[in-house]
Amino acid sequence: QSMLTQPPSASGTPGQRITISCSGSSSNIGNHYVFWYKQVPGTAPKVLIYNYNQRPSGVPDRFSGSHSGTSASLAISGLRSEDEAHYYCAAWDDSLSGPVFGGGTRLTVL
Amino acid sequence: EVQLVESGGGLVEPGDSLRLSCVCSGCSLINAWLSWVRQAPGKGLEWVGRIKNEADGGTTDYAAPVKDRFIISRDDSKNTLFLQMNTLRTEDTATYYCTTILPGSRWGFHVWGRGTLVTVSS
Repeated sequence: QSMLTQPPSASGTPGQRITISCSGSSSNIGNHYVFWYKQVPGTAPKVLIYNYNQRPSGVPDRFSGSHSGTSASLAISGLRSEDEAHYYCAAWDDSLSGPVFGGGTRLTVL
Repeated sequence: EVQLVESGGGLVEPGDSLRLSCVCSGCSLINAWLSWVRQAPGKGLEWVGRIKNEADGGTTDYAAPVKDRFIISRDDSKNTLFLQMNTLRTEDTATYYCTTILPGSRWGFHVWGRGTLVTVSS
C-alpha cells in the first residue's frame, strides 16, 4: 500500500475539467514538494508538474498543480483524448528517506 | 535533445546477477544527479535508488527492498549510469527506467529513458 493515496480511476468528457487528488501525510506532502507524472501505457513517464505547481517547458497550461496541507491535486482543463493515461503523484518521504509514488490514477476520456 | 537509453535487461533466474546501463545521448551527465525507477508489469512506479554527482560526493541511496543487493555507479567519462543487481528475486521483475534528477531537487525525476525489462523467473 502506497504512502500516497490516489483514486484508481477518473474520467471526463472532452473539454471538461477534472482533478486528481493525492493524499499523504506530514512526512511527505505536508513538508515536501510534489511532482506529477503522466504515463501513456507502453511508454516512459513524463513530468507534468514539479514543486507542487510548476510546469516544465512544453507542458500545456491546461495542466496545473496545487496543494493544501497534506494533500495535492492535479487539474486538467479542456480535456482531450490524448490526455488518456495513468497519472502518478510523487513526493519525498522522511520516514522512508526516499521518494514515494502514489498508486496511480487511470484517466479515461469518454 | 537529451535522451537516455537503457540496456542490459533480459531473462534471468532467481539468485542471478545482472548489470543495467544507461547512456545519455546529446547531453553530459557529469553534473547530474541520477536515479533508477522500476515498474513491475501492470503495476505502479517504485524508486530504486539515486547517485549524486561527483561534486556533491557521488554518494548513493537505495530503497529498502533493494538495499544491500543493488549497487548504483556512474562513469562520467563514458556518460553512463549503471545498476548492478545481485541476488535477484522474482519480485524484482520490472521495467527499469533511468532518470535525471531535476537540478535543485534532491530526487525529482526529470528526464526518463525508455526503460529496459528485467524478468526474474525459473
